[in-house]
Amino acid sequence: DADVTQTPRNRITKTGKRIMLECSQTKGHDRMYWYRQDPGLGLRLIYYSFDVKDINKGEISDGYSVSRQAQAKFSLSLESAIPNQTALYFCATSDLRHEQFFGPGTRLTVL
Amino acid sequence: DAKTTQPPSMDCAEGRAANLPCNHSTISGNEYVYWYRQIHSQGPQYIIHGLKNNETNEMASLIITEDRKSSTLILPHATLRDTAVYYCIVRVLAGRRALTFGSGTRLQVQP
Repeated sequence: DADVTQTPRNRITKTGKRIMLECSQTKGHDRMYWYRQDPGLGLRLIYYSFDVKDINKGEISDGYSVSRQAQAKFSLSLESAIPNQTALYFCATSDLRHEQFFGPGTRLTVL
Repeated sequence: DAKTTQPPSMDCAEGRAANLPCNHSTISGNEYVYWYRQIHSQGPQYIIHGLKNNETNEMASLIITEDRKSSTLILPHATLRDTAVYYCIVRVLAGRRALTFGSGTRLQVQP
């Protein structure tokens, strides 16, 4: 089984809809992250969490929110999706050494 | 975190060594050099990291110059499966901020 799983893997939605992307990990890591990637560009950090009670904004947090339900679960929400949030979204976990383990990604399309 | 500079793209013949450079002239004494790669639309994969000594693992070697202002990732016998975007990242080992991914180097291994 994969160490970091993301659901759904693909999602098409309409402008204004609320969307939740979920991430689960079995690595036992305290740190979890959400990134987005636009075509041809590098990854940009949305939110990160160093433990259940420690959540921090990344460089592009506007329009997104997160919830760390447990050590193993970190979900990303788009309260009112807009077309420029169409992107590939990755969840990752890490230990203190910063070796990050990434999930397979969620491809989100907002029409 | 120190800024890194990488060439946007490189080609390499299959079976030959791929040498990917990274400049990090503003690196601080406690910052490590990390390398990740991303194979087409998959989650990034950790490759290797180092502080000042050269490092080698089953995937690659990392050569860091004596002044630590630049480094080279070496894939000793590149295969077609090594075609990917390679990211060089400079970070302290256990800082509070997350890794920052730039644009990386797109390595194309040619048959």
